[in-house]
Parts: sequence; structure tokens; C-alpha cells
Amino acid sequence: DTAVSQTPKYLVTQMGNDKSIKCEQNLGHDTMYWYKQDSKKFLKIMFSYNNKELIINETVPNRFSPKSPDKAHLNLHINSLELGDSAVYFCASSIGRSLYNEQFFGPGTRLTVL
Amino acid sequence: AQTVTQSQPEMSVQEAETVTLSCTYDTSESDYYLFWYKQPPSRQMILVIRQEAYKQQNATENRFSVNFQKAAKSFSLKISDSQLGDAAMYFCALMYSGGGADGLTFGKGTHLIIQP
Repeated sequence: DTAVSQTPKYLVTQMGNDKSIKCEQNLGHDTMYWYKQDSKKFLKIMFSYNNKELIINETVPNRFSPKSPDKAHLNLHINSLELGDSAVYFCASSIGRSLYNEQFFGPGTRLTVL
Repeated sequence: AQTVTQSQPEMSVQEAETVTLSCTYDTSESDYYLFWYKQPPSRQMILVIRQEAYKQQNATENRFSVNFQKAAKSFSLKISDSQLGDAAMYFCALMYSGGGADGLTFGKGTHLIIQP
């Protein structure tokens, strides 16, 4: 009965590969997010997705693309992985875009690019 | 641009004592919320407390309370009767309506150590 789940929890891969991280929420939320936490623990928003509207943080390379097959899922695809992509990636969801709504976070996926 | 600054990379407190974590922010928005999130070694992000900018009354959740000074753009977290389970990274965050990716803007975090 996990609220926000991510798979895999750990991902080790070589530079240049393409990989995906899956996120699913069973809370019935309308809005989902992807955050990146770097090696210094700094968390930064990458994307938010609400009702088929995608908002992209301008600093995110276009090698990163979120894909939402339905409201409960927001997967993250990364092409041509680079060493600097190594980080922990968190998925989150909230009822809507209202400021009051709490964001529920998944357990994170630690991506290591060798 | 919105910024959140946590000036204390690490804080240490004795069990059962009180500790205050500092946070300042900058935004030109009038409608925003402030949050404190906790990240224990398990890596899970847990909401500790939130404050609506339009409310003057400081938020309180059991042993956790905030001191919200809107004019000074300050949002500190006070933890009373510290417990070993409070040991974690604490992140101050801001969310405002409109612009960017519409998500939370986080500070760099404060690592809280609880001494037994």
C-alpha cells in the first residue's frame, strides 16, 4: 500500500546508455513531479506534470524526458547518460497545483553513471 | 527567481534539548507557502510542518514549531525535546504559484545530529 513508489531503487549504468525510472502513485493525485538530489544533497525541481500539462525547469537538459501513460504514472527517461547525471531522483505527487497541497515523495532512485 | 538559504550546514543538540534551524528566503511573490522537510538516512522525504505566507500565526506540529517573520523573510524551525529519531537532514522549502516548474524550491539543508 505504498503511496508513491519508484523502480528501480538503485540503477548503475555506463555512460552513453539510455535508461528509465518508473514512478507510480496510488493516491489519486493529479499532479506529479520529478526532483534531482545531487551529491551535496541539493534538491531541485526538474518537471511537474498536471492534467497533460508539462512544465519543465529550464535548466534540465533535453536528454531528460518525462512520460505519463496515465494519471497515476510519470516515468523519467534519460538518453545518452553522462557522469553528471549521477544523483538521487525523487518522484512526488500532490492532489493538485494548489500551494497548500502536500507533496508526497517516493523513496528515491539512486542513479550511478560509470 | 526564488531562493532559499540555510546557513547552517550542520547542527548538534543534546537529546531532550531544544534546537532551532535557520532559513531565509527571497521571493517577489505575495502568495506562497513555506515548508520544512525531513530526510532521515532512509532517504525518504517527510513533511514536518508548513506555513501559509498570509497567516501571521506560527504553525505548530507537536514538538515542531516555526518562527515565521515575513518582513525579514525568515522561517526558522524549532524542535523541542529533541529525540534520537529527529536526527536527519532538514530542508527548508518554498512553493509559489506560477512560473518555472511549479515545484518546491529547496535550501541546501541542515544536517541535525542528536547527541545521546
